[in-house]
Amino acid sequence: AQSVAQPEDQVNVAEGNPLTVKCTYSVSGNPYLFWYVQYPNRGLQFLLKYITGDNLVKGSYGFEAEFNKSQTSFHLKKPSALVSDSALYFCAVRVPRGSQGNLIFGKGTKLSVKP
Amino acid sequence: EAQVTQNPRYLITVTGKKLTVTCSQNMNHEYMSWYRQDPGLGLRQIYYSMNVEVTDKGDVPEGYKVSRKEKRNFPLILESPSPNQTSLYFCASSLFGNQPQHFGDGTRLSIL
Repeated sequence: AQSVAQPEDQVNVAEGNPLTVKCTYSVSGNPYLFWYVQYPNRGLQFLLKYITGDNLVKGSYGFEAEFNKSQTSFHLKKPSALVSDSALYFCAVRVPRGSQGNLIFGKGTKLSVKP
Repeated sequence: EAQVTQNPRYLITVTGKKLTVTCSQNMNHEYMSWYRQDPGLGLRQIYYSMNVEVTDKGDVPEGYKVSRKEKRNFPLILESPSPNQTSLYFCASSLFGNQPQHFGDGTRLSIL
């Protein structure tokens, strides 16, 4: 079955330290990969995507993600965390099916950045 | 302002009473989708639509209906709601299916 895994329910980081939120996937074909962020009482906001090309993708708010095909991973990273980065982060994979495909989300990782 | 608008934002209702959650986007997007978010399960896709009059099932379509008569609107219909449909629902849209999605602010449904 096709799936997305975010192995950590929660990640705790001190402000100013680097952060990593992990994502691995299991899909057939060449997936499109996305990261979204959700703040309390809000919908999800797009951070970045990988479709093809350079394995290191840069996105909004200083976030970046590295696509690793051999490890089927797409980890989200930021060199220096801010308290305002505290939120719920979702990895998502679009599985090509026909002309569009559907979107599979991970269960989410809560990021907590302490001052 | 580009946005996806869902209504209502909150609804408490009873088992079996038909309800509709509306979703409208003003970005002329082709693709629209509905998700439900449950603790520990993340977001799961209910239905999606690639264009007007074209809809397809996501991963959890049972108990839901959708229609896409106009490009901007994609209502979610619960013909006979049950307590296991108590959840937080999100509508989303994108220009095409492989593009990043814009999400509404969510609709919290409680079915007693």
